[in-house]
Amino acid sequence: DQQVKQNSPSLSVQEGRISILNCDYTNSMFDYFLWYKKYPAEGPTFLISISSIKDKNEDGRFTVFLNKSAKHLSLHIVPSQPGDSAVYFCAASVSSSGTYKYIFGTGTRLKVLA
Amino acid sequence: ETGVTQTPRHLVMGMTNKKSLKCEQHLGHNAMYWYKQSAKKPLELMFVYNFKEQTENNSVPSRFSPECPNSSHLFLHLHTLQPEDSALYLCASSQEGSSYNSPLHFGNGTRLTVT
Repeated sequence: DQQVKQNSPSLSVQEGRISILNCDYTNSMFDYFLWYKKYPAEGPTFLISISSIKDKNEDGRFTVFLNKSAKHLSLHIVPSQPGDSAVYFCAASVSSSGTYKYIFGTGTRLKVLA
Repeated sequence: ETGVTQTPRHLVMGMTNKKSLKCEQHLGHNAMYWYKQSAKKPLELMFVYNFKEQTENNSVPSRFSPECPNSSHLFLHLHTLQPEDSALYLCASSQEGSSYNSPLHFGNGTRLTVT
């Protein structure tokens, strides 16, 4: 049973436009959400996070929105740039016996067209 | 050197071989993780070490054996693997605290092929 779902395996966006990546989760105990970006042959790199006590967090071109009632979060990238082309993973964490477990989605491949 | 370093980057091994993956973090973190990434699947948590103590074993087969000699080093010992164990193995670290959590910092992974 997948607790974190990214239902769109891929997304193509024109350069300069907005990219919206979506993520749904099922476990209401999750209290911290993260987005990671992954280029080929590299490990995932942390992009932005949001605590469950907030509904929005912004960092430059990247904004994450959290809708707890819908158990949904999204990552907005604006304006999108060709260098943003990568696989984006959504992750959620919950504390278990004093350790945080991070559960990942399957990823969405973003392609920004020049 | 900074961040999380994994060696080797690529490994091909037969089913009867014994090999080890190595991970080193230079971030001063107190928790280290092994994840497995297979094609079209989410990253799967395998093991968690917090202050060198294993706090999570996510039902991983015994042919995978982790070792954490100190908070900066993590190993994954492999023996009698199966072809379906071929995947990208990612090490990560984070700073765990009682009132906060920090993002995972990943290494670049070891691409393992079992023949």
